Amino acid sequence: EVQLVESGGGLVQPGGSLRLSCAASGFTFNNYWLHWLRQVPGKGLVWVARINNDGSSISYADSVKGRFTMSRDNAKNTGDLQMNSLRAEDTAVYYCARSNPALAVYYLDYWGQGILVTVSS
Amino acid sequence: DIQMTQSPSSLSASVGDRVTITCRANGDIHNYLAWLQQKPGKAPESLIYAASSLQSGVPSRFSGSRSGTDFTLTISSLQPEDFATYYCQQYNLFPPTFGQGTRLEIK
Repeated sequence: EVQLVESGGGLVQPGGSLRLSCAASGFTFNNYWLHWLRQVPGKGLVWVARINNDGSSISYADSVKGRFTMSRDNAKNTGDLQMNSLRAEDTAVYYCARSNPALAVYYLDYWGQGILVTVSS
Repeated sequence: DIQMTQSPSSLSASVGDRVTITCRANGDIHNYLAWLQQKPGKAPESLIYAASSLQSGVPSRFSGSRSGTDFTLTISSLQPEDFATYYCQQYNLFPPTFGQGTRLEIK
């Protein structure tokens, strides 16, 4: 069974940092790209960042570029999102998701359950 | 960025009804369109990809179609577990973008 499990969320002050992790199981991790998306409660879905199979290529949404850093460890089947200089508008539920580059690099076929990040003083 | 516009934003229907949700792209995304279902407090789940291909395990009452830049999700006979919010997503052009969602409620 494919599983993606996020951890590391919580409450942080504006300007602070937080590191999210995504633990994958049930599939060959290094065959898939990994993505982070977010959703303000009650609002729509927004793509945040992605990393390719081997970690050599990473892209970010303009809203987080220069503040967020995505990485992965294929030996541990995990992906991380380091979030710095956090702002109130970064408050959201963050999801990790996977895509199969052999099918389509931005088609997200499985998602994690999400983790809440709250940026507030 | 490609903008995806869904309609309606909300919809009330009864068990057994046939329901249609539409998504329009403001550019050519070919068939690179997915439909997702999200229940309250849960992660989105993929239903359809490539405009009309059913994700493994998704019931056959769900179907998708395309006409130009207009895409349609149809549920042929609503079941109680289908009441949720539905999103379309284009994955042809970077960055991937989503519709604003259609909330399907019980009448």
